[in-house]
Amino acid sequence: EVQLVESGGGLVQPGGSLRVSCAASGFSFRSYWMSWVRQAPGKGLEWVANIKQDGSEKYYVDSVKGRFTISRDNAKKSLFLQMNSLRAEDTAVYYCARPSAFDREGGYWGRGTLVTVSS
Amino acid sequence: SYELTQPPSVSVSPGQTARITCSGDELPKKYAYWYQQKSGQAPVLVIFEDRHRPSGIPERFSGSNSGTMATLTISGAHVEDEADYYCYSTDSSGNLEVFGGGTKLTVL
Repeated sequence: EVQLVESGGGLVQPGGSLRVSCAASGFSFRSYWMSWVRQAPGKGLEWVANIKQDGSEKYYVDSVKGRFTISRDNAKKSLFLQMNSLRAEDTAVYYCARPSAFDREGGYWGRGTLVTVSS
Repeated sequence: SYELTQPPSVSVSPGQTARITCSGDELPKKYAYWYQQKSGQAPVLVIFEDRHRPSGIPERFSGSNSGTMATLTISGAHVEDEADYYCYSTDSSGNLEVFGGGTKLTVL
């Protein structure tokens, strides 16, 4: 069974940093693109970033470029999102996902971890 | 940046057919996907590659993609289908993912 479990969310001050993680199991993690998607309170889904199987390609939504970095550790079956220079508008539930657009058996999501940026 | 446009809300009575649309300039060349999200839960994929249902998704859910518009159809909507629905695709490069703004489906 495919499982994605996020961790590392919490309260951080504006301008601060936070690293969220995702532990994957139940599939060959190194074989798939992975993504981070976020959802601000009461708002819709927003794709944040994705990363190729070997980490050689990474893409970001414009609003986080230069502030967020996606990475992965295939040996540990883990996905990461390093978030710097955080703003109030980054407050959201952050979901780890195996994106459906990159494999027809994808579309798996974790339960998410809440990141709150507030003073 | 690339955008997918959905109506904010759709309302039907139980047993009626609900149709939710999604428009985007790249849809003639890119697949559309649909996610269902119930309150407080993670999204669930209900349609992939325009028209295919993952295992476990009821047959009343179907999808189509024609021109610049994709459509999610729920034939004979159930009360439990009440949720937010998001279309999803990629931009012309195929590397940037994008979600529509979401449609709140009310079944009552």
